[in-house]
Amino acid sequence: GPKVLQIPSHQIIDMGQMVTLNCDPVSNHLYFYWYKQILGQQMEFLVNFYNGKVMEKSKLFKDQFSVERPDGSYFTLKIQPTALEDSAVYFCASSLGGVANTEVFFGKGTRLTVV
Amino acid sequence: GDSVTQTEGLVTLTEGLPVMLNCTYQTIYSNPFLFWYVQHLNESPRLLLKSFTDNKRTEHQGFHATLHKSSSSFHLQKSSAQLSDSALYYCALSEGSNNRIFFGDGTQLVVKP
Repeated sequence: GPKVLQIPSHQIIDMGQMVTLNCDPVSNHLYFYWYKQILGQQMEFLVNFYNGKVMEKSKLFKDQFSVERPDGSYFTLKIQPTALEDSAVYFCASSLGGVANTEVFFGKGTRLTVV
Repeated sequence: GDSVTQTEGLVTLTEGLPVMLNCTYQTIYSNPFLFWYVQHLNESPRLLLKSFTDNKRTEHQGFHATLHKSSSSFHLQKSSAQLSDSALYYCALSEGSNNRIFFGDGTQLVVKP
């Protein structure tokens, strides 16, 4: 079936540095999402992105976070600067339409460790 | 705000026995969408079931769930567990009017021979 690819699966970064998490969504999808899962806790919505713009973001989406999808390529989550509390698994997802009407496909996640 | 509660963190049972994973939710919206996602080890979470209609049974791959708005529940059931059902199961909710999905904490299902 359709796959969302996230590379790398694990990334270690020094606190205060910038990190970019890459996501290759399903090719014809139009909606893109990031979710954050701290160890032992639930997956929580960060942001969704459609038509080149952030449509919604949660309170977890701090000012240090940004997303973009330049030229229809990778959908990226950038954190600058990183903080210890940013350590988590970040799941990228994509869908053809809205959540109510189409299936949302998730990647395997990127485990970010901030040291 | 919206929330999803999965009371069991871990469910262990023997192959062939019935499965029931509990899910209740809270939302102010009268027409929420409820989902079950399954995540096998080293795999992505993937959609197992989805429902919008009150009191209608939804089935897929041997699993079934019925959305009961009166009790705000969407329990996942299967008549006979298989070893391959061992996975992490997330109950989730969306209001439908936006594109956020609220996830429960997940229930780890372990099926033993």
